[in-house]
Amino acid sequence: DTGVSQDPRHKITKRGQNVTFRCDPISEHNRLYWYRQTLGQGPEFLTYFQNEAQLEKSRLLSDRFSAERPKGSFSTLEIQRTEQGDSAMYLCASSHHGDTTEAFFGQGTRLTVV
Amino acid sequence: AQRVTQPEKLLSVFKGAPVELKCNYSYSGSPELFWYVQYSRQRLQLLLRHISRESIKGFTADLNKGETSFHLKKPFAQEEDSAMYYCALQGGKLIFGQGTELSVKP
Repeated sequence: DTGVSQDPRHKITKRGQNVTFRCDPISEHNRLYWYRQTLGQGPEFLTYFQNEAQLEKSRLLSDRFSAERPKGSFSTLEIQRTEQGDSAMYLCASSHHGDTTEAFFGQGTRLTVV
Repeated sequence: AQRVTQPEKLLSVFKGAPVELKCNYSYSGSPELFWYVQYSRQRLQLLLRHISRESIKGFTADLNKGETSFHLKKPFAQEEDSAMYYCALQGGKLIFGQGTELSVKP
């Protein structure tokens, strides 16, 4: 286990298409987070899970975004009917339960919508 | 509501100068605060957490509940400190500020 991994690293899609990203957290971590980051901005919270339960989803997130973590291990983030404004880096992070524990980040998936 | 504010987008100093990266937060409960760093072409990673009261790479940060601040300080900046620095708050979810780019010139 070499850390949090995300797939794919890069994705170019046409406007209106659906895309799905995968995140594999560190195996013993029960918390998993998704963030979106655009140039010059900090990571923007999208959603997070504890085991398979989705505990919170950003109110800023449209209904086109959905995330799952079906068995409490890997997670997927799907964006339906992509728009140019969805172009960003999508980051995944995981941590062991506990508010003071370190979150480990993946390398991110860079989405470009053309 | 949880909020983290980093007022400076860019901080540029010369090597050996003191550095202070500002962070203010808004949270109704008892906050857990962190500083994360992202070096060029690397992943975001933890630098330090307030509960540990530790010094990492010469950086320290003190939680000031009265001023709702968690500023990051280093007495003598080094060129290798050049990076993006993000203040983060955890109250259930983990949220980040907008980040401050630190540039240390030789």
